[in-house]
Amino acid sequence: EVQLVESGGGLVKPGGSLRLSCAASGFTFSSYSMNWVRQAPGKGLEWVSSISSSSSYIYYADSVKGRFTISRDNAKNSLYLQMNSLRAEDTAVYYCARGLTTGGSPDYWGQGTLVTVSS
Amino acid sequence: NFMLTQPHSVSESPGKTVTISCTRSSGSIASNYVQWYQQRPGSSPTTVIYEDNQRPSGVPDRFSGSIDSSSNSASLTISGLKTEDEADYYCQSYDSSNQVFGGGTKLTVL
Repeated sequence: EVQLVESGGGLVKPGGSLRLSCAASGFTFSSYSMNWVRQAPGKGLEWVSSISSSSSYIYYADSVKGRFTISRDNAKNSLYLQMNSLRAEDTAVYYCARGLTTGGSPDYWGQGTLVTVSS
Repeated sequence: NFMLTQPHSVSESPGKTVTISCTRSSGSIASNYVQWYQQRPGSSPTTVIYEDNQRPSGVPDRFSGSIDSSSNSASLTISGLKTEDEADYYCQSYDSSNQVFGGGTKLTVL
């Protein structure tokens, strides 16, 4: 059974930093691209970042480019999102999602971790 | 970048059929696969359709997906509606460097 478990969310002040983690199990992690997708309170889904299976290809939404860094450790079956220079508009539930082999779109999703940026 | 536009909300009665549209703003809808996700209140999204018209195991065949190049849109059709189908539905596609979600459609089954 595919399982994705996010952690690391919490309350942070504007301008602060946070590192999210996603622990993967139930599939060969090193064979799949991975995504971070967020959802602001009461809003829709917003893609944040994607990373290919070997970390060769990394992409970011314009809204987070230069502030967020995605990475992965295939030996630890883990995905990360380093978030710097956080803003109030980054407040959201952040989901880790496995990528389909065709195009990398999310197929399995974690339960999400809430990030709140507020003073 | 392109956008995916969905109706904000749709409603239908139990047992009926409903179709949710998803229109791509630029580029061909057929050039990249479309996925559909269901999100019930308080839950994570789950995939109901992938690669335009494929159903993951466990998703009932009441759910079907299609694309229409003439209108540059994708559609999710749910037949034999059940109250448990009440949820938000999101379409999604991609290009060479971006994943794009539609704004979501709230389905009410009443």
